[in-house]
Amino acid sequence: ETAVFQTPNYHVTQVGNEVSFNCKQTLGHDTMYWYKQDSKKLLKIMFSYNNKQLIVNETVPRRFSPQSSDKAHLNLRIKSVEPEDSAVYLCASSKGTISNERLFFGHGTKLSVL
Amino acid sequence: GNSVTQMQGQVTLSEEEFLFINCTYSTTGYPTLFWYVQYPGEGPQLLLKVTTANNKGSSRGFEATYDKGTTSFHLQKASVQESDSAVYYCVLSSSGSWQLIFGSGTQLTVMP
Repeated sequence: ETAVFQTPNYHVTQVGNEVSFNCKQTLGHDTMYWYKQDSKKLLKIMFSYNNKQLIVNETVPRRFSPQSSDKAHLNLRIKSVEPEDSAVYLCASSKGTISNERLFFGHGTKLSVL
Repeated sequence: GNSVTQMQGQVTLSEEEFLFINCTYSTTGYPTLFWYVQYPGEGPQLLLKVTTANNKGSSRGFEATYDKGTTSFHLQKASVQESDSAVYYCVLSSSGSWQLIFGSGTQLTVMP
């Protein structure tokens, strides 16, 4: 049963465009995340966010930024996409802020950059 | 630093065969270990979790034992089904780190 909802499912765009992906969780969780999954299925965390703190993985390029209106929503904006940004972007949430808590993932948004 | 190693990128079995997926980890903190499973078209979901050394976790016929001595957390299942075909991730959480560390994943394909 899905409780983390991502839109769109797919997005195709050209180099240099700006894109934005949406994520909403209905679990009442305090913390949300964005992960990047590449074509080899490697998963890397990009951001962790709750209402008090944003933590950024230092390897994430500055053209990526999370945007949150409330604790149930965490969107991802990419200012000027590059070919290497082609991937599946997975949103997740957890009840608290400690890293050993269970993550609940959405189904992902697949981005193709032409 | 913290790391997780899954050496098997792909495993192909026939139904009812025994599954073994190798996972080793390295950390300087106190680990919590997970296995997540990702079915096609979905996000990963928790399969099992173990927080205490030398304890075993189990779920849906899958088992994994957190072995502190060998720093391993191998996944096993006695008899796989076609519906088990998915990508399996060994995942490490370590005290003092905000990140979960995902292994590189093992694609399991079960033939009918």
